[in-house]
Amino acid sequence: GNSVTQMEGPVTLSEEAFLTINCTYTATGYPSLFWYVQYPGEGLQLLLKATKADDKGSNKGFEATYRKETTSFHLEKGSVQVSDSAVYFCALSDGGQGAQKLVFGQGTRLTINP
Amino acid sequence: DTGVSQNPRHKITKRGQNVTFRCDPISEHNRLYWYRQTLGQGPEFLTYFQNEAQLEKSRLLSDRFSAERPKGSFSTLEIQRTEQGDSAMYLCASSFGGAPDTQYFGPGTRLTVL
Repeated sequence: GNSVTQMEGPVTLSEEAFLTINCTYTATGYPSLFWYVQYPGEGLQLLLKATKADDKGSNKGFEATYRKETTSFHLEKGSVQVSDSAVYFCALSDGGQGAQKLVFGQGTRLTINP
Repeated sequence: DTGVSQNPRHKITKRGQNVTFRCDPISEHNRLYWYRQTLGQGPEFLTYFQNEAQLEKSRLLSDRFSAERPKGSFSTLEIQRTEQGDSAMYLCASSFGGAPDTQYFGPGTRLTVL
């Protein structure tokens, strides 16, 4: 079945550091890929998405590129802020027009120190 | 624009009791999803509605679990004869359809079974 594997956390960085959170997937067909973020005490929020190979999703300074050859969707940010501290989830859906249940990775907790 | 809302936010119950959670999706969203998230893990799909029809259920959804979406608006998730293993965060998401089917999550209901 479909699955998502994320780099294990927690990850701790200093403000303005470069961030990479690795995500790889296993899927049949052509899934859509997502990054969701969960801030303390809040619900999951969609951060960015990509629907086909070589697409780049971006939002709030975060980027991720859909790499079909390496089945990856790594999340990057050039200069992190304290406010980026949260849990980040990589997810995939089956794509297409029908029901698209999401399959999530286990999440990566990110802490940014001032 | 109000987002997805869930009630209650927290529920503590004794083993063997029945509990019911409510989810109000974003208005005009015709798809509604339920997920369960245990500590340190990503959300796992439970079930999905297209309007009022329940179209898919996960193997995780035992016969003690039932979900409804009367009139295709709000949804309820009931757990009968709760067990300690049911302790988790129950998440609701809604979407308008399309490709990809971008889901918007509520804040969740945290269930603790004593």
